[in-house]
Amino acid sequence: DTGVSQDPRHKITKRGQNVTFRCDPISEHNRLYWYRQTLGQGPEFLTYFQNEAQLEKSRLLSDRFSAERPKGSFSTLEIQRTEQGDSAMYLCASSLVGVRSTEAFFGQGTRLTVV
Amino acid sequence: GQSLEQPSEVTAVEGAIVQINCTYQTSGFYGLSWYQQHDGGAPTFLSYNALDGLEETGRFSSFLSRSDSYGYLLLQELQMKDSASYFCAVRASWDSSYKLIFGSGTRLLVRP
Repeated sequence: DTGVSQDPRHKITKRGQNVTFRCDPISEHNRLYWYRQTLGQGPEFLTYFQNEAQLEKSRLLSDRFSAERPKGSFSTLEIQRTEQGDSAMYLCASSLVGVRSTEAFFGQGTRLTVV
Repeated sequence: GQSLEQPSEVTAVEGAIVQINCTYQTSGFYGLSWYQQHDGGAPTFLSYNALDGLEETGRFSSFLSRSDSYGYLLLQELQMKDSASYFCAVRASWDSSYKLIFGSGTRLLVRP
């Protein structure tokens, strides 16, 4: 499978715990995006990387959230001291900047439930 | 900022044609994209319009009118597997991130 993969698919955690999600983008893609999606809503932008550089962070991304993309390959999204409001689907997408940069390829997402 | 409006739910019969509308407000428009998402699945790209007019891809077509800030997705010969949520999304022309701003989605239910 050469699509975007995310791990884990589901995560249940207690409030106050830290969680980390992983995203493996399509290998030749240089852009990687993180989005958050709550029930009945469209995905909302959180942050993006061009290669290993994190170039933009949404105001939705509080200081409890941190993302990395070491060596411009996979990316991790960590949430510290989770809160119930963090419960959502976290989606990763990748794209190749260029003529077809209009198309972003999404992973299946990690569904986080904070209890 | 950007905002998009689309109907929350549409119901249609198998074999019929359905149109899902999207109106947008954006400070600098680059293009309108459409994504399909089945329950529990990933959003998958359907089509993209940057210029006015109709783009056709098999049973799916997408239309854009930049002057009206309006677009639609047309699904023909509906099949049961088309039951899913459909999202329109815009990119801003000034935004080098190419991030997508999504609408709230239209849930399509195809009945036999």
